[in-house]
Amino acid sequence: QQQVKQSPQSLIVQKGGISIINCAYENTAFDYFPWYQQFPGKGPALLIAIRPDVSEKKEGRFTISFNKSAKQFSLHIMDSQPGDSATYFCAASNTDKLIFGTGTRLQVFP
Amino acid sequence: GAGVSQSPRYKVAKRGQDVALRCDPISGHVSLFWYQQALGQGPEFLTYFQNEAQLDKSGLPSDRFFAERPEGSVSTLKIQRTQQEDSAVYLCASSLDRVFSPLHFGNGTRLTVT
Repeated sequence: QQQVKQSPQSLIVQKGGISIINCAYENTAFDYFPWYQQFPGKGPALLIAIRPDVSEKKEGRFTISFNKSAKQFSLHIMDSQPGDSATYFCAASNTDKLIFGTGTRLQVFP
Repeated sequence: GAGVSQSPRYKVAKRGQDVALRCDPISGHVSLFWYQQALGQGPEFLTYFQNEAQLDKSGLPSDRFFAERPEGSVSTLKIQRTQQEDSAVYLCASSLDRVFSPLHFGNGTRLTVT
């Protein structure tokens, strides 16, 4: 049973544009929502994370928006760069294990 | 080492063979996780250790999968009688503490069962 749904599956953005990836969850007990970035041949690396007591968190060019009532959260990458080209995974948990989304492959063209 | 180290990097096994995958977590990290990542998919939880105690093994797909962390540091994931559906990247991650600590992933072991 997929508990975290992620979209889109792939995304193509021009350099300098905004990349937006969306996730929806089902389990209302989830209370930790991280985003991971994965390059080919590498393990996922934590990008940014949010707890449900805030609606937005910003770190540099990366922002998480969180809508508790809609059970949705999204990642915004401002001023997207070719180096941001990677696969992005949202995740959620309320215990020790993270439940990951299916991933979004982002390609940023110069 | 600076990060989580996994070996081997690649493993090819014939169906029916046993394999052992090793994980060296970041020194001092209490928690250790194993995830399975199929091609084009997100990582899926297999099992979790806190020190040497295996606290959750609910994600192990069958009794052919076994994990251990006898001294609370290095961990081994063993798969017996491998099947083609076991082909995947096996990721190990460690964290300093339990809940909400950032997970640090290794680069994984890509297992191909022929």
